Amino acid sequence: KNEVEQSPQNLTAQEGEFITINCSYSVGISALHWLQQHPGGGIVSLFMLSSGKKKHGRLIATINIQEKHSSLHITASHPRDSAVYICAVRRMGDMRFGAGTRLTVKP
Amino acid sequence: DGGITQSPKYLFRKEGQNVTLSCEQNLNHDAMYWYRQDPGQGLRLIYYSQIVNDFQKGDIAEGYSVSREKKESFPLTVTSAQKNPTAFYLCASSTGVNTEAFFGQGTRLTVV
Repeated sequence: KNEVEQSPQNLTAQEGEFITINCSYSVGISALHWLQQHPGGGIVSLFMLSSGKKKHGRLIATINIQEKHSSLHITASHPRDSAVYICAVRRMGDMRFGAGTRLTVKP
Repeated sequence: DGGITQSPKYLFRKEGQNVTLSCEQNLNHDAMYWYRQDPGQGLRLIYYSQIVNDFQKGDIAEGYSVSREKKESFPLTVTSAQKNPTAFYLCASSTGVNTEAFFGQGTRLTVV
C-alpha cells in the first residue's frame, strides 16, 4: 500500500462546479504539500500546511492531523484549473508523493 | 528572478550511453532533490543532498549518480546501468526539511 493515497484518480467537472480532491497518508509527517502539475510537466507548489486550513484565491486546503487526511477544494472551477494535482508529505528530510489526480474542467 | 532551472527540457539518449541532467538553483537552498516520474505513478526519490559535498540515496538510486560540489548545482547522471531510464525527471530544492519545496520544469529523457 502506498504511503500517500489520493482520490479520485481522475475527475471531470463542468465550469463553475465545486471540486474536492482527497489525500490520505499513513506515516507521521511534518508538513503536507499540494502541488499542481500542468501538461508541460513543471510543478508549482500551491500550499504547504501542517495544521488547519489555508486559502488562496479559489483554492482551499485543509488538513486533519489526527485522521491523517487532507483535502484540496476548488471553488467556481474554470478550464484553466485543468491539471494534475499532487499531494506530497514531508517526513525525515524527504517527500513522499501521491500518484496525482487528473482534473479536467469543461467549459 | 530566483528559481530552479533544469536543462535540457527534452533529451534523447542511445542505449548504453551515460547522460547528465542539469539542475541549478539561485534560491540559496541547502537541500536539493531528484525525482523520477512514470505515468500513473507518484514521484519517486532518486537522490537527495542536504548540504554541499554530501548526498544520500533515495528509493530508486540504482543506475544513477549525483554530485554536489556547489550549493547551486546538483547534476544527475543516468548511467548505462539504469535498466529503464525513459521517464520524466524533476529536480527540487528547499531551505530545510520542513520548508516549502520549489520544483524545476523537468527533463523528459527518452532512450532510443
